[in-house]
Amino acid sequence: GEDVEQSLFLSVREGDSSVINCTYTDSSSTYLYWYKQEPGAGLQLLTYIFSNMDMKQDQRLTVLLNKKDKHLSLRIADTQTGDSAIYFCAEESGGSNYKLTFGKGTLLTVNP
Amino acid sequence: DAGVTQSPTHLIKTRGQQVTLRCSPISGHKSVSWYQQVLGQGPQFIFQYYEKEERGRGNFPDRFSARQFPNYSSELNVNALLLGDSALYLCASSPQESPIQNTEAFFGQGTRLTVV
Repeated sequence: GEDVEQSLFLSVREGDSSVINCTYTDSSSTYLYWYKQEPGAGLQLLTYIFSNMDMKQDQRLTVLLNKKDKHLSLRIADTQTGDSAIYFCAEESGGSNYKLTFGKGTLLTVNP
Repeated sequence: DAGVTQSPTHLIKTRGQQVTLRCSPISGHKSVSWYQQVLGQGPQFIFQYYEKEERGRGNFPDRFSARQFPNYSSELNVNALLLGDSALYLCASSPQESPIQNTEAFFGQGTRLTVV
């Protein structure tokens, strides 16, 4: 079955890089996602990567995928206080409903 | 363009009661998915509907049901509420049902349900 694990907390200083790690189990996942959730808000899709890629860069965000180890990471360059939020990794299952399986989320705290 | 709209934003119910949550997808979107997010956890998949048909169901009891209307809006119903049903219920809409649907999906702000 699907399972997604991620570390629960990360604290960085403003201007540093943040790296959030995630492991997943479903080797048939076609896409893997990173979402951001601010307090009291819904989910905002940050970026995604197709399973046949190993890296994707989008402005300050870099996603690395190691398919052999089923490891995904999100790097945020020049982290700002506005980046403080919970970040969720999610895998998309195959089959007919393309459901997302989320990790428990990583709370990123950015200190001035 | 309006985003995904969910109503109500908050509500409080008593154990044993029934609740109906509503979701209006982005105009032109035909697929709606529902997720439950318990405090401190990631969202869990409940249902997906496409073109008014159920396409997928997560590991939730039969107390949970949903439907999609001809205008693609959707309702999630929960009967015989339990304290453990307290959560943020999220709706996501997508233009189509396909392997790329989640790349084009948008989530609503959610409905915060508290069961007392």
